[in-house]
Amino acid sequence: DTGVSQDPRHKITKRGQNVTFRCDPISEHNRLYWYRQTLGQGPEFLTYFQNEAQLEKSRLLSDRFSAERPKGSFSTLEIQRTEQGDSAMYLCASSPWTPGNTQYFGPGTRLTVL
Amino acid sequence: TQLLEQSPQFLSIQEGENLTVYCNSSSVFSSLQWYRQEPGEGPVLLVTVVTGGEVKKLKRLTFQFGDARKDSSLHITAAQPGDTGLYLCAGAAETSGSRLTFGEGTQLTVNP
Repeated sequence: DTGVSQDPRHKITKRGQNVTFRCDPISEHNRLYWYRQTLGQGPEFLTYFQNEAQLEKSRLLSDRFSAERPKGSFSTLEIQRTEQGDSAMYLCASSPWTPGNTQYFGPGTRLTVL
Repeated sequence: TQLLEQSPQFLSIQEGENLTVYCNSSSVFSSLQWYRQEPGEGPVLLVTVVTGGEVKKLKRLTFQFGDARKDSSLHITAAQPGDTGLYLCAGAAETSGSRLTFGEGTQLTVNP
């Protein structure tokens, strides 16, 4: 399978704990995106990398959130001091450098903060 | 903030019926994508449209991009229970770079 993969698929944590998610994009894609989706809503943009450079961050990405893509391949999204409001599906997508900006999504990581 | 208004939010129909889902905005999009999402899974790409007035067909699904690139529609002919799912439109606005702005989705249920 050469699609976008995410790990873990599910994470349950207690409020105040730190969590880290990993995303492995499609190998030839140089763009990588993180989105967050809450129940009954469409995904909301969090941040975007082109190769290893983080080019755009949403205002949704508070200072408790940090994302990295150190070698321009996989990416990690860390949430520090989790809050119950952080409970959501965290989606990763990747795209090649082509017109249309078609983004391919991974299966997501479902975070539940107790 | 660019908004994509998707309608209807919920649709329940009988097998064999036709349906249309609409996606509208006041913003111009350089491209627009339609996805289908199952519970607990990520969105799966159905189609990307980039040219105003473009029409694409995928078996029983027909996608249209508006001439002004501000709106799109998805038409399903002879819906089947396997079409049940959440349909999402998402656009890359000309003024917002690479980020996708999503509609809230249309939850389609096709009853046998």
